[in-house]
Amino acid sequence: GIQVEQSPPDLILQEGANSTLRCNFSDSVNNLQWFHQNPWGQLINLFYIPSGTKQNGRLSATTVATERYSLLYISSSQTTDSGVYFCAVRATDSWGKLQFGAGTQVVVTP
Amino acid sequence: GAVVSQHPSRVICKSGTSVKIECRSLDFQATTMFWYRQFPKQSLMLMATSNEGSKATYEQGVEKDKFLINHASLTLSTLTVTSAHPEDSSFYICSAGNGGLAPNEKLFFGSGTQLSVL
Repeated sequence: GIQVEQSPPDLILQEGANSTLRCNFSDSVNNLQWFHQNPWGQLINLFYIPSGTKQNGRLSATTVATERYSLLYISSSQTTDSGVYFCAVRATDSWGKLQFGAGTQVVVTP
Repeated sequence: GAVVSQHPSRVICKSGTSVKIECRSLDFQATTMFWYRQFPKQSLMLMATSNEGSKATYEQGVEKDKFLINHASLTLSTLTVTSAHPEDSSFYICSAGNGGLAPNEKLFFGSGTQLSVL
């Protein structure tokens, strides 16, 4: 099956700092989503971005499908950005299933 | 966005008992729902795909007799952990999409159920 690798595994940021999270995938995809899991376990859908660039407030994401990677940018980080960020992809031959990466644990300190 | 409701949020049970978890799509119909399992500090692992009106499809290594899935309507899927044991303790999350599994369909997740088996 498709492999999804996220880096870095852990990230500690000072409030106000910027950061980039990366997601590499091993096969062509028709669906890629970024999620934020808060400390209570709730998964929040951040972006649906199988290709191109999107922005939502302080967050933005870029997917280069031909090179099989996606980037999530966090600017001016806040303590509420803490949590685990997951990249999940659906391979083009995989009906319906989202395959998750291992996640990046982000801690933003005051 | 679409809302997926999952209950209960937390359950503690004795070893040997069965536990039922419900997943509802509140404002859309979902012919297919997905059940995931997450151990502490690990990623989400797909357990099974729940199809309305038919049998669920289980991922390799998931015991179908242990994890019973029922998808009786377009808005409700249930996961029953039968004869639960401490090793079944985990965070269970359901998800559903509102796009009929089209390639560009977004998946929305319930808030999860933390199961602790004593």
